[in-house]
Amino acid sequence: EDKVVQSPLSLVVHEGDTVTLNCSYEVTNFRSLLWYKQEKKAPTFLFMLTSSGIEKKSGRLSSILDKKELFSILNITATQTGDSAIYLCSLLGTSGTYKYIFGTGTRLKVLA
Amino acid sequence: DADVTQTPRNRITKTGKRIMLECSQTKGHDRMYWYRQDPGLGLRLIYYSFDVKDINKGEISDGYSVSRQAQAKFSLSLESAIPNQTALYFCATSDGLASSYEQYFGPGTRLTVT
Repeated sequence: EDKVVQSPLSLVVHEGDTVTLNCSYEVTNFRSLLWYKQEKKAPTFLFMLTSSGIEKKSGRLSSILDKKELFSILNITATQTGDSAIYLCSLLGTSGTYKYIFGTGTRLKVLA
Repeated sequence: DADVTQTPRNRITKTGKRIMLECSQTKGHDRMYWYRQDPGLGLRLIYYSFDVKDINKGEISDGYSVSRQAQAKFSLSLESAIPNQTALYFCATSDGLASSYEQYFGPGTRLTVT
């Protein structure tokens, strides 16, 4: 059964810290891995990763995919209180349909 | 205006009642999805649709039904609500193009079944 596992489940840090969120998967083939940030309600898109080893970057956030070791990481440097959210990892399968498999999410709290 | 809207935003209903959650989108996307989110369980797929004539069950479709009334509208029904259907429900869309597989989510409907 296809599976996406995120770790840690929750994390509390102080402003200025750097955090690394993990997404590991047991999915035979997939089109893409996506990261979302969920603050109050709706998840919002952060990154889409398709190729292994190519880092995507947006400001203080960056992400990379390792297809050999079957994981992705999301890094946030110089964290701010506004980074407090649930971070979701999702994989889009290739088994004939466009179904997305989500991990349970990592809840990040950044203290001032 | 939001690209993906959901109504109602909050709803409290009693066990056994029928309830419909509605989703509309102005993205022009063919693909639409219904998820539920429970604490610690992430997003789980209930139903998805790739066009008006295409409806597919997701991993947790029991107790739910859907209707795709038009490209822009996708409704989720609970025929006879039960307390363990209390959750946050999201509608999402995607265009399925290889250039961008991201999903666009509505604001969510918080449903409580007493």
